Amino acid sequence: DAGITQSPRHKVTETGTPVTLRCHQTENHRYMYWYRQDPGHGLRLIHYSYGVKDTDKGEVSDGYSVSRSKTEDFLLTLESATSSQTSVYFCATEGGETQYFGPGTRLLVL
Amino acid sequence: EDQVTQSPEALRLQEGESSSLNCSYTVSGLRGLFWYRQDPGKGPEFLFTLYSAGEEKEKERLKATLTKKESFLHITAPKPEDSATYLCAAKKDSNYQLIWGAGTKLIIKP
Repeated sequence: DAGITQSPRHKVTETGTPVTLRCHQTENHRYMYWYRQDPGHGLRLIHYSYGVKDTDKGEVSDGYSVSRSKTEDFLLTLESATSSQTSVYFCATEGGETQYFGPGTRLLVL
Repeated sequence: EDQVTQSPEALRLQEGESSSLNCSYTVSGLRGLFWYRQDPGKGPEFLFTLYSAGEEKEKERLKATLTKKESFLHITAPKPEDSATYLCAAKKDSNYQLIWGAGTKLIIKP
């Protein structure tokens, strides 16, 4: 399995506050992804990166931004958190044709 | 519209009772069909990739098959430790992004 860690693992925040989630990988994979997972939905892509400083939007990118200053780190920022962003967030990296996932961050926005 | 649909949403089996999970897809230009297992509170764990109709792959009690419209995950003589949510995803050959199904929750009772 790819070495992928996410921090924090759990977070409770208030509406309107900024939140940053971190994904760290030790596999030197070029591609990295941020997904959200909600009941009744499949995993939905928020943003992805195809290299340092190279990022692009996914299907549910509104309200989110990302940054990748190093190969190993991919940050997801909620500029002003809303209750609709309460979710479980997964980071993934891609090696070969396969995506490998981190353990997830459970975010509650009150 | 590209879409991946999994059925049933949930499946309860007795230990040893074999069955199949379905993943139907309508994707223009399929590059590959992926199966993952997800345990509660964890990230998805990669199981199989299928690339062409007629292809089969096996791992322990699991066998995945692929046709031009759907994929099946066959579970033979399941054990309680096979209980999990099984996710499938289709990768397009145009942009290499994954389109996810909502998953099948499998419960194996001893």
